[in-house]
Amino acid sequence: EDKVVQSPLSLVVHEGDTVTLNCSYEVTNFRSLLWYKQEKKAPTFLFMLTSSGIEKKSGRLSSILDKKELFSILNITATQTGDSAVYLCAGGSGNTGKLIFGQGTTLQVKP
Amino acid sequence: DSGVTQTPKHLITATGQRVTLRCSPRSGDLSVYWYQQSLDQGLQFLIQYYNGEERAKGNILERFSAQQFPDLHSELNLSSLELGDSALYFCASSLAPASGIYNEQFFGPGTRLTVL
Repeated sequence: EDKVVQSPLSLVVHEGDTVTLNCSYEVTNFRSLLWYKQEKKAPTFLFMLTSSGIEKKSGRLSSILDKKELFSILNITATQTGDSAVYLCAGGSGNTGKLIFGQGTTLQVKP
Repeated sequence: DSGVTQTPKHLITATGQRVTLRCSPRSGDLSVYWYQQSLDQGLQFLIQYYNGEERAKGNILERFSAQQFPDLHSELNLSSLELGDSALYFCASSLAPASGIYNEQFFGPGTRLTVL
């Protein structure tokens, strides 16, 4: 059965800290790994990593994909209170593109 | 704003009733996905339509059905509602060309369903 597991489930840090969120996956016919940020509303897209793009960076956020070890990490440097959210990792399966989501990591950044 | 629209935003109904949730994908996107998010189950894939055809099915109950219309909007029908169906229902869309290389999915604002 397809499975995506995120750790830790929750994290509390202070502004300026660097955080690393983990995601391991077992997805049939794996195609890509996606990260989303959810702030009490719809998930907003952050990154998609595939075999042709195993490292992505946008501002203070970066992510890598290790297809051999079946995991991905999301790094956030110099955290801000606005980074407080649930971060979702999802594995994309097969030609359909359906996503299998992890439970999410709840990040709280304190001032 | 992702460009995906969903109506209604909130829906309160009683057990045994039937409701219809509507989704309009981003302009140019051919694929629509429906997800259910509840506190204990997280985000669960329900069903996908691509250019009017059902493409993939997840953990969708038989009481639930969906369709995608020629103008590419989609509806999710939930019938014989139970208390446990209370959840956030998200629609997402992607370009998803037929070659099998799919694109990132963009989520609508969701419909919060409360079954009393």
